[in-house]
Amino acid sequence: DGGITQSPKYLFRKEGQNVTLSCEQNLNHDAMYWYRQDPGQGLRLIYYSQIVNDFQKGDIAEGYSVSREKKESFPLTVTSAQKNPTAFYLCASSIGPGSAGEKLFFGSGTQLSVL
Amino acid sequence: GQQVMQIPQYQHVQEGEDFTTYCNSSTTLSNIQWYKQRPGGHPVFLIQLVKSGEVKKQKRLTFQFGEAKKNSSLHITATQTTDVGTYFCAGPNSGYALNFGKGTSLLVTP
Repeated sequence: DGGITQSPKYLFRKEGQNVTLSCEQNLNHDAMYWYRQDPGQGLRLIYYSQIVNDFQKGDIAEGYSVSREKKESFPLTVTSAQKNPTAFYLCASSIGPGSAGEKLFFGSGTQLSVL
Repeated sequence: GQQVMQIPQYQHVQEGEDFTTYCNSSTTLSNIQWYKQRPGGHPVFLIQLVKSGEVKKQKRLTFQFGEAKKNSSLHITATQTTDVGTYFCAGPNSGYALNFGKGTSLLVTP
């Protein structure tokens, strides 16, 4: 079954802790993205990657880090520097750049909460 | 980066009424995409518009791209309870990703 898998579905973070959200795709897509969703705020771009070993900051990258060591994987680390991490995190992928008109396929998301 | 503004933020209609959401950009867009997110779900691609003045239909949904390619709209005729969800428009950012509007949440009561 092709698609994007995000795990875990729910995640809790303690103060001062780094946590990593997993995103795996078997669609053979080159581009991958991380968005953050807060109620009433829409989707805000955190990081995106067009190819392996390359990624770009989005509008709200501060307090987050990513890696793209494999084409199918794009994990997101929420660091302790992110002071307001509680949100719904969505990973997406596309064949080519979304800005060029390629449609995005989204995972089912991870809800991160702070204890 | 490029921003897209979407109105209204919320819309509550009776089943059978029509619904429209509008998306506006301060700059010309090369293309615009629309997504739907059901409650508790994730966004799902609906359509892409590329040409100036383009109109596309999907059953009861009609999508328009403005002549100046700075605005777009989604119109649903005779809403049904299955139309409930949040509708997002998305336009290219300065890189190769998409910037999403804040969305319009549609509630349909029977």
